[in-house]
Amino acid sequence: NAGVTQTPKFQVLKTGQSMTLQCAQDMNHEYMSWYRQDPGMGLRLIHYSVGAGITDQGEVPNGYNVSRSTTEDFPLRLLSAAPSQTSVYFCASRTKIGGTEAFFGQGTRLTVV
Amino acid sequence: SQQGEEDPQALSIQEGENATMNCSYKTSINNLQWYRQNSGRGLVHLILIRSNEREKHSGRLRVTLDTSKKSSSLLITASRAADTASYFCATDAGGSYIPTFGRGTSLIVHP
Repeated sequence: NAGVTQTPKFQVLKTGQSMTLQCAQDMNHEYMSWYRQDPGMGLRLIHYSVGAGITDQGEVPNGYNVSRSTTEDFPLRLLSAAPSQTSVYFCASRTKIGGTEAFFGQGTRLTVV
Repeated sequence: SQQGEEDPQALSIQEGENATMNCSYKTSINNLQWYRQNSGRGLVHLILIRSNEREKHSGRLRVTLDTSKKSSSLLITASRAADTASYFCATDAGGSYIPTFGRGTSLIVHP
């Protein structure tokens, strides 16, 4: 059982470059979300999706785009990378059945220089 | 802004001692979850407590929830060096099942 898979694990970008962080889950979960984790800030929600074709903004959405064309995949796009987007990014998924836990990927460590 | 806030931010104890971490949150919740994160890794779910529950146990973990005070505590009994990690509380509020997290408690257990 793969669970939630994030790729790549590490990435270095130059300011202004764009890239896509991939997230895939094989548990048929309806809910998927992206977080960023910065030192001393915990996890902050970037975007989330409650099902295929439905996305919404979280606490810190600026500079990021998402789409959810399938249940399995939820890519996060950085449109024009900035040093402030240097962070560790986590993808999570969860079933819509109440009272269950979220499952996390292992994270993508992104550095923007 | 983040829904939950853990306290203390850092905790250092000796192996065998108990570790207690607290979480306060702002709005009404459906349930509250605790997660653990080893350095550089993804979060792993530890325990979930529903809003109508007051206490829950899982192995060496004990979680309490006081909805009147909007607070929860996580107790790890007989700590081990392997318990060294960051611990986060997360809440589901309203009709959302997207958990929002606090800043976490960094626990160090000395052998």
